[in-house]
Amino acid sequence: GAGVSQSPSNKVTEKGKDVELRCDPISGHTALYWYRQRLGQGLEFLIYFQGNSAPDKSGLPSDRFSAERTGESVSTLTIQRTQQEDSAVYLCASSLGPSAYEQYFGPGTRLTVT
Amino acid sequence: AQKITQTQPGMFVQEKEAVTLDCTYDTSDPSYGLFWYKQPSSGEMIFLIYQGSYDQQNATEGRYSLNFQKARKSANLVISASQLGDSAMYFCAMREGTGNTGKLIFGQGTTLQVKP
Repeated sequence: GAGVSQSPSNKVTEKGKDVELRCDPISGHTALYWYRQRLGQGLEFLIYFQGNSAPDKSGLPSDRFSAERTGESVSTLTIQRTQQEDSAVYLCASSLGPSAYEQYFGPGTRLTVT
Repeated sequence: AQKITQTQPGMFVQEKEAVTLDCTYDTSDPSYGLFWYKQPSSGEMIFLIYQGSYDQQNATEGRYSLNFQKARKSANLVISASQLGDSAMYFCAMREGTGNTGKLIFGQGTTLQVKP
C-alpha cells in the first residue's frame, strides 16, 4: 500500500513569507508526527496528533509554527513569517498508534528560506 | 530530561566486517523504548530495530542486533557482515513511557562508511 506522502518535496521561500507543508499519513494510522531535521543533525520533535485527542505541541519552537489535522487524515504544518533558521527538512511520520513501535516516515519537505 | 547521545560522528568499516554504533540514553522513566533508524543519502528514514526497556532478550533483526545494557543505559547497534549499502547515517532514538505520545527523541547520528 501507499506510504506516507508529503508535499511539496522542495520549497524555496523568501524570509517573512508564510509556508504550508502537507502530510498524507498511511490509511488507518491514527498517530501522526512532525519532525524537523536541520542539516547534519538529528530529528527534532515538533508536534503529535492522535485521533481526536488534543495534540502534543510541546516541540513547536515558536508561535510562528502551527499544525492541524483533520480527523485521522491529512495534516498541514504552517510556518508564518519564515526566518532563515527555519530552513530544514520537515519530516512527517505516522503509526498505528502511540504504542506501535514503528513510525513510518515520509520523504520530507526541504524548506529553504532565502 | 530525556536525552540520547551518539558520540561517534563518523565511523568506517571494511566490507564484510562487523561494526558497533554507540548510543547512550538518559531517562528517569522505567518504561521506554529504544529505536535505531537508518537514513541513506536519499533522506528517507528506515526503521531498523526496536528494544523495549522490559525486554529480557536483546533485539535482533537479520544482520542488525541491539546490545542493550540497561544498567549502563546503553543501546548499541551492531551490524554484522557490513555491506556497501549500509553506508548511511544512523540514528538512535528513544520513546518514553507507555506510549502516551509516542514521540521520539533522536540522537545526533553517526555516519557510517563501508569501504570495499
